[in-house]
Amino acid sequence: EPEVTQTPSHQVTQMGQEVILRCVPISNHLYFYWYRQILGQKVEFLVSFYNNEISEKSEIFDDQFSVERPDGSNFTLKIRSTKLEDSAMYFCASSEWGVGSGNTIYFGEGSWLTVV
Amino acid sequence: AQSVAQPEDQVNVAEGNPLTVKCTYSVSGNPYLFWYVQYPNRGLQFLLKYITGDNLVKGSYGFEAEFNKSQTSFHLKKPSALVSDSALYFCAVGPKAAGNKLTFGGGTRVLVKP
Repeated sequence: EPEVTQTPSHQVTQMGQEVILRCVPISNHLYFYWYRQILGQKVEFLVSFYNNEISEKSEIFDDQFSVERPDGSNFTLKIRSTKLEDSAMYFCASSEWGVGSGNTIYFGEGSWLTVV
Repeated sequence: AQSVAQPEDQVNVAEGNPLTVKCTYSVSGNPYLFWYVQYPNRGLQFLLKYITGDNLVKGSYGFEAEFNKSQTSFHLKKPSALVSDSALYFCAVGPKAAGNKLTFGGGTRVLVKP
């Protein structure tokens, strides 16, 4: 069964450093997402991406964050200058079409980011 | 704005007994509703969804959920729980129009005891 894959599974970084989290969405999917889950808290939407541009973003997704689809398979989340409060599990996800059409979003296993 | 509430932080049930995880939602119009399960140190796995049609939706691993429009609820159920069902369960609501954001509830931890 096709799945969303994410790397790294766990990354420890120093505060102020740049981090890039990588994802390979399901191959025939057109919509891509990043969500995050701070330990013990709810899953929060960060950004959705379609047709090589951001289609929607949350207030969490400020100028420190950026997303990119550098080639035909990868989808990345960059955090320019990490802060302690960025420590969380980051989930990449994809769907064939948008959620607004009732499509299912499929999630990866997550990348656990620890900022020290 | 759309929102989801899962009123129980944890549900304890004995193996073989029925399992119910509660979810209520608030959204303009009719929603798309989803249930996901998260096993320890794993990602979110899709269980089932309600889009339209029959209010009783059947999903993976013997789970089902009932959409109740008048009570704005979408409770997850399983007739006979297994120890392996112990996990964190999330209800989510999606927009029925433009937009691509799933809004998640706070999650309910299910503990099934042998």
